[in-house]
Amino acid sequence: DGGITQSPKYLFRKEGQNVTLSCEQNLNHDAMYWYRQDPGQGLRLIYYSQIVNDFQKGDIAEGYSVSREKKESFPLTVTSAQKNPTAFYLCASKRTGSQETQYFGPGTRLLVL
Amino acid sequence: QKEVEQDPGPLSVPEGAIVSLNCTYSNSAFQYFMWYRQYSRKGPELLMYTYSSGNKEDGRFTAQVDKSSKYISLFIRDSQPSDSATYLCAMNTDSWGKFQFGAGTQVVVTP
Repeated sequence: DGGITQSPKYLFRKEGQNVTLSCEQNLNHDAMYWYRQDPGQGLRLIYYSQIVNDFQKGDIAEGYSVSREKKESFPLTVTSAQKNPTAFYLCASKRTGSQETQYFGPGTRLLVL
Repeated sequence: QKEVEQDPGPLSVPEGAIVSLNCTYSNSAFQYFMWYRQYSRKGPELLMYTYSSGNKEDGRFTAQVDKSSKYISLFIRDSQPSDSATYLCAMNTDSWGKFQFGAGTQVVVTP
């Protein structure tokens, strides 16, 4: 089955700890995105990547880091510098250069202990 | 002011009624418009995708775009309890642009 997978489904972070959220897609999409969703708010863009080994900051990149070493994978690290990390994190991907839209993974819920 | 405004609801309708959802936006450069459905604690799933102005119909769903008024709508006919979810509008300027999302409208369809 083609699609986007995110793991884990739930993640707990201790104070001062870095945690990494996984996102993998087998859709052969070039572009990948990370969003944060908080109750009552729309999706806010954290980082995006349109090609391997290249990525750009979104609207709320502070306290987060990413890498794009493979086309299929776009992991997000929530660092200790992110003081309010509790949220629902969504990964998305899309084809570029065409009238295509984004498709989302199932999400990871991050909670702070 | 947000680029995309969407009433958060909740919008409660009886089963079988028409659900009417809308978003307004301020950036006249937007030309790709999307509606996503999101069930609780799940990722959004694409419902409708339209380019520029006009109507698009898919089963019980109709999407309308009025670029002159900077207003988009989604109608759900013969609503079912399984339609209870949050509906997100999204839009962007071109295939390379960043997507802008509305806050989402929570819809509750009561049996």
